Amino acid sequence: GAVVSQHPSRVICKSGTSVKIECRSLDFQATTMFWYRQFPKQSLMLMATSNEGSKATYEQGVEKDKFLINHASLTLSTLTVTSAHPEDSSFYICSARDRGIGYTFGSGTRLTVV
Amino acid sequence: KNEVEQSPQNLTAQEGEFITINCSYSVGISALHWLQQHPGGGIVSLFMLSSGKKKHGRLIATINIQEKHSSLHITASHPRDSAVYICAVRGAAGNKLTFGGGTRVLVKP
Repeated sequence: GAVVSQHPSRVICKSGTSVKIECRSLDFQATTMFWYRQFPKQSLMLMATSNEGSKATYEQGVEKDKFLINHASLTLSTLTVTSAHPEDSSFYICSARDRGIGYTFGSGTRLTVV
Repeated sequence: KNEVEQSPQNLTAQEGEFITINCSYSVGISALHWLQQHPGGGIVSLFMLSSGKKKHGRLIATINIQEKHSSLHITASHPRDSAVYICAVRGAAGNKLTFGGGTRVLVKP
């Protein structure tokens, strides 16, 4: 079946540094990738939708300069958390529409900013 | 009121019991998805429904479009079924999913 590989699975970074999270669709072309954030015991919150070759569409309240999204190819989308602060600590997960018009999710990235 | 409501929020069952999770939505949809999130955080798509009923192993998902309601059933539950089950709907237009709050299921041996 469709697979989305997300890396890293866990990252700890210092406050003020930037962190890049990658999502790759391994056996299909993902023209659209969704990036979510999840706080403990809460549901997924859509941050942005990225489309290959064009600018991402951010949800209201999400800072586009802080959460940089790049979708340069049909198989790779990246989320960069810039100048990370402890409040950015969260679980980030990506998802792509697959061939069966379902959704395939990455395994998630647990970010801790210290 | 959230567009997608799930009940119950938490559920504890003994191994072997039949489990039902409910999902109600208030918007027009093109499809409804049931997802499973394990403690490590990874999410697996279980079902995509636009009508009727689907079965996969011990899992059964049903949807009633007129009543805007879906149920996920787990038959002969097992401790490995312990996870958070999330209902998500895709609107009539676009690709975005709207998520329910999730149901945390614990199956005790």
